[in-house]
Amino acid sequence: NAGVMQNPRHLVRRRGQEARLRCSPMKGHSHVYWYRQLPEEGLKFMVYLQKENIIDESGMPKERFSAEFPKEGPSILRIQQVVRGDSAAYFCASSPPGLSNTGELFFGEGSRLTVL
Amino acid sequence: DAKTTQPTSMDCAEGRAANLPCNHSTISGNEYVYWYRQIHSQGPQYIIHGLKNNETNEMASLIITEDRKSSTLILPHATLRDTAVYYCIVTNAGGTSYGKLTFGQGTILTVHP
Repeated sequence: NAGVMQNPRHLVRRRGQEARLRCSPMKGHSHVYWYRQLPEEGLKFMVYLQKENIIDESGMPKERFSAEFPKEGPSILRIQQVVRGDSAAYFCASSPPGLSNTGELFFGEGSRLTVL
Repeated sequence: DAKTTQPTSMDCAEGRAANLPCNHSTISGNEYVYWYRQIHSQGPQYIIHGLKNNETNEMASLIITEDRKSSTLILPHATLRDTAVYYCIVTNAGGTSYGKLTFGQGTILTVHP
């Protein structure tokens, strides 16, 4: 049973380019979360999605960042016109439907974005 | 979610029990205590959670005080692979906070040979 799959694991972009990070949740999981970990800082919640719906995007920067979780395919975190401050590890997590275990998330290994 | 306070770092000898404390004095009645860890450069890993009773699984035990204002994560026989940052998180159940975890700075646990 494959875990949460993220790709690419490492991504290098120049300032002004776009970055797309993909996340395939665990089989049977319909909830996806994105977290960001800046260098030497803790993990910060960004967005919570269900299929075709953004449930909570309170942690997303107001500009340049967007996320989607389409009916088919992986969840995508998109960062437009990247700046050096976007350099970070981006972690995706998933959880199954239902409220029986609301805090038990399964995290991927992360995508490390470096902006030159 | 209630705020948590953890020591910045702790050491433990291999094979001994590691006891990691967490204070959450403002916890409310519907909030759970969760523990995660993050081994260097990897994604966070769920360890255990509880509401008010002590809990045990294959990884660890969680002891929650009767007033629920603090808890202790116990790794009964620490190994070198347990060296990681351990996060104590308090979160309520259901609603839009589902899965929205607040990670603090955590405790850096170093297990020595």
